[in-house]
Amino acid sequence: EAGVAQSPRYKIIEKRQSVAFWCNPISGHATLYWYQQILGQGPKLLIQFQNNGVVDDSQLPKDRFSAERLKGVDSTLKIQPAKLEDSAVYLCASSLAVGGPVDTQYFGPGTRLTVL
Amino acid sequence: GESVGLHLPTLSVQEGDNSIINCAYSNSASDYFIWYKQESGKGPQFIIDIRSNMDKRQGQRVTVLLNKTVKHLSLQIAATQPGDSAVYFCAETHGGSQGNLIFGKGTKLSVKP
Repeated sequence: EAGVAQSPRYKIIEKRQSVAFWCNPISGHATLYWYQQILGQGPKLLIQFQNNGVVDDSQLPKDRFSAERLKGVDSTLKIQPAKLEDSAVYLCASSLAVGGPVDTQYFGPGTRLTVL
Repeated sequence: GESVGLHLPTLSVQEGDNSIINCAYSNSASDYFIWYKQESGKGPQFIIDIRSNMDKRQGQRVTVLLNKTVKHLSLQIAATQPGDSAVYFCAETHGGSQGNLIFGKGTKLSVKP
């Protein structure tokens, strides 16, 4: 079974530029998550989708971050404009069912963003 | 602050020894806990989970212990191997959170050959 795919794997941009990340979840997984992982810390949830609807985006900095999951499959996360503190690994995860507490989340390899 | 944390940031063990990684949580409403392993350059990988109605669960070479009285979680790895070298995170959630996991900072496990 193919895992969660993410691209690009690495991205270097200057502050105030824009960047977009792409995620393809495991086939058939209804729920998709985007996490931000700052170096030396655990992942922090940014947004959760169930199919193509947003379940939780309470920790998404909406003034600069946006995400969409058109057609309930692939998802993109965008940052515009980027700040230095956005340097982190952006992880995408997916789970089979409706995002309940015992629904195992499978993570992709992440995109490492460096903002100069 | 975060509701989940770890006692030790790094742990070094000899190959073949047992490893114990500890985690404290503060949210008494948490009822589901998961341990993840993250190797360099990869995303977190599920290891084992436990619900709050249990105090012990065993997998292949791994055991998770939950002490709700002191809000403490531990991961025991038997016969640690070089391939176990990674950062280990505990994560917690509760029934009303729709799967919103709260991760701790992680413990880096290094296995000496």
